[in-house]
Amino acid sequence: SQELEQSPQSLIVQEGKNLTINCTSSKTLYGLYWYKQKYGEGLIFLMMLQKGGEEKSHEKITAKLDEKKQQSSLHITASQPSHAGIYLCGANFGNEKLTFGTGTRLTIIP
Amino acid sequence: DVKVTQSSRYLVKRTGEKVFLECVQDMDHENMFWYRQDPGLGLRLIYFSYDVKMKEKGDIPEGYSVSREKKERFSLILESASTNQTSMYLCATSHNYGYTFGSGTRLTVV
Repeated sequence: SQELEQSPQSLIVQEGKNLTINCTSSKTLYGLYWYKQKYGEGLIFLMMLQKGGEEKSHEKITAKLDEKKQQSSLHITASQPSHAGIYLCGANFGNEKLTFGTGTRLTIIP
Repeated sequence: DVKVTQSSRYLVKRTGEKVFLECVQDMDHENMFWYRQDPGLGLRLIYFSYDVKMKEKGDIPEGYSVSREKKERFSLILESASTNQTSMYLCATSHNYGYTFGSGTRLTVV
């Protein structure tokens, strides 16, 4: 079973619309990381969340970690074609390893 | 900025060949990781290393070995490549502010 569940698996959104991607764990997270990946390329770091209730924003992307530190969401406002790609959440459960969700493929249509 | 360099973007190897995937980081970080990424499965940890000559198995170490003779270099070795090892391989290093990934090596075993 997957330690991190990410949903949805894929998302098609019209340009200009908002969207949310979720990442859920059955265990308490010590750190939650959001990455973006263009097809066939490496992972680009977006944000790191460590404290319960923490929220961070960068440009039109906002990430939140719930108080229990078991669920995170990534919200994109007014989506643009440049937001297209695969979004991955990664979690640290108290050791040095990073465990990943299966990813969300985001497509932006005109 | 931390830089993680993977020597090859694309590799095609024959079944049974010995394959070396190289990863170099430029920030003297202790922890380095090898992941493979497959559709529907996300990123899975193969091996990681927390110091020179130190290594630990990840979630899917079978068919792989690693070498870390110098701090900056972490090599993934496929002793006898098989078609089920066709995948995207990603190297990463961890530090206080997150994990940095290389651009990936797409390996095809024919």
